[in-house]
Amino acid sequence: GAVVSQHPSWVICKSGTSVKIECRSLDFQATTMFWYRQFPKQSLMLMATSNEGSKATYEQGVEKDKFLINHASLTLSTLTVTSAHPEDSSFYICSARDWAHSNEQFFGPGTRLTVL
Amino acid sequence: AQSVTQLDSQVPVFEEAPVELRCNYSSSVSVYLFWYVQYPNQGLQLLLKYLSGSTLVKGINGFEAEFNKSQTSFHLRKPSVHISDTAEYFCAVNSKAAGNKLTFGGGTRVLVKP
Repeated sequence: GAVVSQHPSWVICKSGTSVKIECRSLDFQATTMFWYRQFPKQSLMLMATSNEGSKATYEQGVEKDKFLINHASLTLSTLTVTSAHPEDSSFYICSARDWAHSNEQFFGPGTRLTVL
Repeated sequence: AQSVTQLDSQVPVFEEAPVELRCNYSSSVSVYLFWYVQYPNQGLQLLLKYLSGSTLVKGINGFEAEFNKSQTSFHLRKPSVHISDTAEYFCAVNSKAAGNKLTFGGGTRVLVKP
């Protein structure tokens, strides 16, 4: 149980284009989802927290207009990187939490974004 | 604010030898502690967690950790490592006071040598 998937697992795009990454909870309802980014050989940094049906809460220094987060259902959250640039190239990982396990998060397998 | 320090960025160890990865946290309230493993180009896999109860926690793949409140530590141990244990290990903490947000340590790379 508590499986989280991400799609795509990797994506390459041209500079200036937008990319959408999906995060799904497969066997539970995710009241809260989190988006992290991880640069090579570094730790995970929280970008934003999203609760189903409400606006995401962004961490300090994260541009909300650049990283659009939608959590329209209890099983799906999306992260759209708008007008991507090479410096946005990173590993993006989502996690999800449900009411029954409010103290822990279940992680997706990550999405490798490369912007050319 | 909560924070996590992993004292060793890299730990080389020979196969079948024991390993200990150190993790210290700072938080003024009750915490929940986690250890994750990450293999290259993959997400995080939960090794073990401390939520409450016994301070000695056993996880998957033969790993265990001990929660020490007085020393604010949650060190991870394995008595005998395998080549397949080569990976990045992250310690993380969350608390209700922090909105149940996870704060990660910088990670420790374990390199198991034959």
